[in-house]
Amino acid sequence: GIQVEQSPPDLILQEGANSTLRCNFSDSVNNLQWFHQNPWGQLINLFYIPSGTKQNGRLSATTVATERYSLLYISSSQTTDSGVYFCAVERGNEKLTFGTGTRLTIIP
Amino acid sequence: IAGITQAPTSQILAAGRRMTLRCTQDMRHNAMYWYRQDLGLGLRLIHYSNTAGTTGKGEVPDGYSVSRANTDDFPLTLASAVPSQTSVYFCASSATWGGTEAFFGQGTRLTVV
Repeated sequence: GIQVEQSPPDLILQEGANSTLRCNFSDSVNNLQWFHQNPWGQLINLFYIPSGTKQNGRLSATTVATERYSLLYISSSQTTDSGVYFCAVERGNEKLTFGTGTRLTIIP
Repeated sequence: IAGITQAPTSQILAAGRRMTLRCTQDMRHNAMYWYRQDLGLGLRLIHYSNTAGTTGKGEVPDGYSVSRANTDDFPLTLASAVPSQTSVYFCASSATWGGTEAFFGQGTRLTVV
């Protein structure tokens, strides 16, 4: 099956800092999503972005499908941004496959 | 509010007992999925259903069964629970079975003792 690698595995930042999270995948995909799992365990949809760039407030994402990677940018981090960020991809008839996540901790 | 509802939220279950985790969606999505999340392993697909009346096996199907009698409901059954099935279980749905955005329920935390 398709391989999904996320980096870095852990990231600790001061409030107000910017961050970039990376997702590499091993084959072409027809679906790529970014999720935020908050400290209560809920999986929140951030972006559905199989290609191109999208922005939502302080968050933005870019997927370069031809080079098999996606980036999630978080600007002016807040403590509520803490949690685990997952990238998940789908290829052909295969179902959504998740990376192992990036744990982000924002310190006040 | 439209979405996916899972029940129960959490459960402690004795080994060997039978348990059904419930999942209902009101978005009229065709595809539904069950994932389990374990520390250090991310989310892994257990079973899926592309449309009502059909089901398929995911990455870790052993010990679990599903049914899809209608569009809205997708229950997951553990016939005889074992401690290795202690996990957080997430139900998800998407409009179609390929290339569309997936949405997740709030999860069920299951502990098998």
